[in-house]
Amino acid sequence: DGGITQSPKYLFRKEGQNVTLSCEQNLNHDAMYWYRQDPGQGLRLIYYSQIVNDFQKGDIAEGYSVSREKKESFPLTVTSAQKNPTAFYLCASSSEGLAPYFGEGSWLTVV
Amino acid sequence: RKEVEQDPGPFNVPEGATVAFNCTYSNSASQSFFWYRQDCRKEPKLLMSVYSSGNEDGRFTAQLNRASQYISLLIRDSKLSDSATYLCAVNLGSSYDKVIFGPGTSLSVIP
Repeated sequence: DGGITQSPKYLFRKEGQNVTLSCEQNLNHDAMYWYRQDPGQGLRLIYYSQIVNDFQKGDIAEGYSVSREKKESFPLTVTSAQKNPTAFYLCASSSEGLAPYFGEGSWLTVV
Repeated sequence: RKEVEQDPGPFNVPEGATVAFNCTYSNSASQSFFWYRQDCRKEPKLLMSVYSSGNEDGRFTAQLNRASQYISLLIRDSKLSDSATYLCAVNLGSSYDKVIFGPGTSLSVIP
């Protein structure tokens, strides 16, 4: 089946640790996105990528890093520089100009 | 001014009512527009795309007003199952597919 797979679904991080969230799509979409959602809030754009080996910062990129080495994959690393990383993280992909399609999300909690 | 803004809500309406949500965007170069539905603790799911003046799908109608830079979503004959948060999204276009979301409007349909 075509779709977007995010893993892990739930992740706990200790203070000072880096963690990486995986996002894989088999929809042959060029564009991929990472959003963060806090309780009761909308989605805020972290990073987005139009093509392999190219990505752009979104509105809240500080404390995060990404790579786009393959068209299918767009992993997000939450670094220790992100002071308040507890949130729901959503990955999406799209074809040019069309609506993004989302994965099921990853819940990150700092303990 | 935020790039995408929505009615603050929440909206509480009786079954069978008609409800309308508004969304405004700041970038006049925006090319495409989307309405998503998000259930609690789930990923957003595409409800409608709006590429020209408007779009209709059953009980749902979306309209675009480029001159005033807003889009609206009308839900007729509300069902209990319509209870969710409705997110407006705008593709800012230009060289990259940068898709920004509004904060969302919560709808509760009451028996």
